[in-house]
Amino acid sequence: GAGVSQSPSNKVTEKGKDVELRCDPISGHTALYWYRQSLGQGLEFLIYFQGNSAPDKSGLPSDRFSAERTGGSVSTLTIQRTQQEDSAVYLCASSWSSGRASGELFFGEGSRLTVL
Amino acid sequence: DAKTTQPPSMDCAEGRAANLPCNHSTISGNEYVYWYRQIHSQGPQYIIHGLKNNETNEMASLIITEDRKSSTLILPHATLRDTAVYYCIVRVAAGEKLTFGTGTRLTIIP
Repeated sequence: GAGVSQSPSNKVTEKGKDVELRCDPISGHTALYWYRQSLGQGLEFLIYFQGNSAPDKSGLPSDRFSAERTGGSVSTLTIQRTQQEDSAVYLCASSWSSGRASGELFFGEGSRLTVL
Repeated sequence: DAKTTQPPSMDCAEGRAANLPCNHSTISGNEYVYWYRQIHSQGPQYIIHGLKNNETNEMASLIITEDRKSSTLILPHATLRDTAVYYCIVRVAAGEKLTFGTGTRLTIIP
């Protein structure tokens, strides 16, 4: 499709399990972002990729959270040993890199994670 | 921390112009003003951005004061579908992260 694609759209897991969330950005976009949004809260920045490298991972809340991006395209956000406070909607966005176009971020519909 | 201040909520009658203010008194010369909105249960959607000149597109107009310390997003003929949280964000350049504040919850009244 033409937009940012995220999977799964919904994930229910038990506390202590690991989860992987996937983001497929818009073709040609070199910048990729992960955010999360807890119920009723604002958007919290997690990590930003430029190509396959992550110049800003300042928002990752703990070492249980990691992300990678391969081939300058698909990204995976991994949460190890999930906790109930990890329950949130995890949003991915992509954009052109600096110097191009408007810098507009295109967001996916998110992956809703529920940790029981 | 977000560098912008917005009212937490606003109402607007359907068909009227919705004017959403934003203060960004510490904005730097190379920072752009971006507006996004988030309709319930959806990902944020880009609306418009500008540096110092007023901007208009098919969705909205952006008015930036001459000193650039504040701006106003104008939705010229608000519809019920414009009910959303609107975020005003300042950002240096494409490729940098967007830092979302708490935004303005705009409710369009029938």
